[in-house]
Amino acid sequence: DTGVSQDPRHKITKRGQNVTFRCDPISEHNRLYWYRQTLGQGPEFLTYFQNEAQLEKSRLLSDRFSAERPKGSFSTLEIQRTEQGDSAMYLCASSPQGAGNTEAFFGQGTRLTVV
Amino acid sequence: EDQVTQSPEALRLQEGESSSLNCSYTVSGLRGLFWYRQDPGKGPEFLFTLYSAGEEKEKERLKATLTKKESFLHITAPKPEDSATYLCACQGSSNTGKLIFGQGTTLQVKP
Repeated sequence: DTGVSQDPRHKITKRGQNVTFRCDPISEHNRLYWYRQTLGQGPEFLTYFQNEAQLEKSRLLSDRFSAERPKGSFSTLEIQRTEQGDSAMYLCASSPQGAGNTEAFFGQGTRLTVV
Repeated sequence: EDQVTQSPEALRLQEGESSSLNCSYTVSGLRGLFWYRQDPGKGPEFLFTLYSAGEEKEKERLKATLTKKESFLHITAPKPEDSATYLCACQGSSNTGKLIFGQGTTLQVKP
């Protein structure tokens, strides 16, 4: 297992365009998270999936953002009508569910630049 | 509102000069406190989980401790390869496992 994989690593887009990012979690992990990180700040929670169900969304997640996790495997995060303020690192993390090991493992992130 | 605050924001050390990073938290129903290391342009790398006050964890030159209000990451005799941003995160009462992060401490170790 190579860990959490994210694609693409970098994305430059023009304002107003739509973008989609993909995350492949660690195979046996049923919990999946999306976070956003801006320069000099810690990651901020965006949304959480348990298997295929999206169970929590942050108030930070505007209507332009949508996430899916079909069949409880990989996940996609789509941003519609991108704005310059969407420029950030988008991080995906996964963890197993259980009373013991609850640490989340992160992917390398997708760096989005909106010009 | 749950909050995690790290200090200092930046720290410069000479190789071999030991120091500590602080993470203060106000989180209801703390389920766990996590330390991550993040290199520039990369995702956070898991270091430690602490679950209860008094607990300590060690890994190479790093040691993490936890009290009811804060956690410390002690770095003993650091090397230049320890240079990175260290992130503290808390898992609160929500059973989703989501993390509340501090803003991080950027450590630079000079040879």
